[in-house]
Amino acid sequence: AQKVTQAQTEISVVEKEDVTLDCVYETRDTTYYLFWYKQPPSGELVFLIRRNSFDEQNEISGRYSWNFQKSTSSFNFTITASQVVDSAVYFCALSEWGNYQLIWGAGTKLIIKP
Amino acid sequence: DAGVIQSPRHEVTEMGQEVTLRCKPISGHNSLFWYRQTMMRGLELLIYFNNNVPIDDSGMPEDRFSAKMPNASFSTLKIQPSEPRDSAVYFCASSLSSGNTGELFFGEGSRLTVL
Repeated sequence: AQKVTQAQTEISVVEKEDVTLDCVYETRDTTYYLFWYKQPPSGELVFLIRRNSFDEQNEISGRYSWNFQKSTSSFNFTITASQVVDSAVYFCALSEWGNYQLIWGAGTKLIIKP
Repeated sequence: DAGVIQSPRHEVTEMGQEVTLRCKPISGHNSLFWYRQTMMRGLELLIYFNNNVPIDDSGMPEDRFSAKMPNASFSTLKIQPSEPRDSAVYFCASSLSSGNTGELFFGEGSRLTVL
């Protein structure tokens, strides 16, 4: 069965701190995709990254970085030097090869205080 | 470029009334999804269209819900009759990919309140 667990319901940090959002997934497939989406207070969901199961290289995009570890079935997201504009709900999601369905985590609400 | 456009952004209606939500996907995208988001259930896929054809409507809660995609640039989600438990944010999303999930582009959502 497929499952995505985001154990952190809410995280609150002070601006400029680094913060890591955890994502643990379950799947029986060997080929799958992992995603992170951001939902700011305005409401729309914004795609951040897609990673396939054969690519375990860490990804860095500006202040954002992602750590994919198949050994622990985790796909964690780190924001370095957080800013107030990073405040949002962040969702991790999983899809298996050939399947349009996204399995969503419950989301982590990130609050960045000035 | 215009993103996914949804209307209305907010809808308040009374129980029993018909509600129609509208979506214009990104031009050229061949996959369209309707999602519902609530605090209790999170994001739920209601229906998936590929090339205007409904592929999977197993997420549609019951017969009160129906969705159409008469052409590549327009889709509707209708609830008739509406009930208070239908109150949620309804998102439309489109994608270039079919089959394997690609990047989804979401609209800003339609917040529905049924009194």
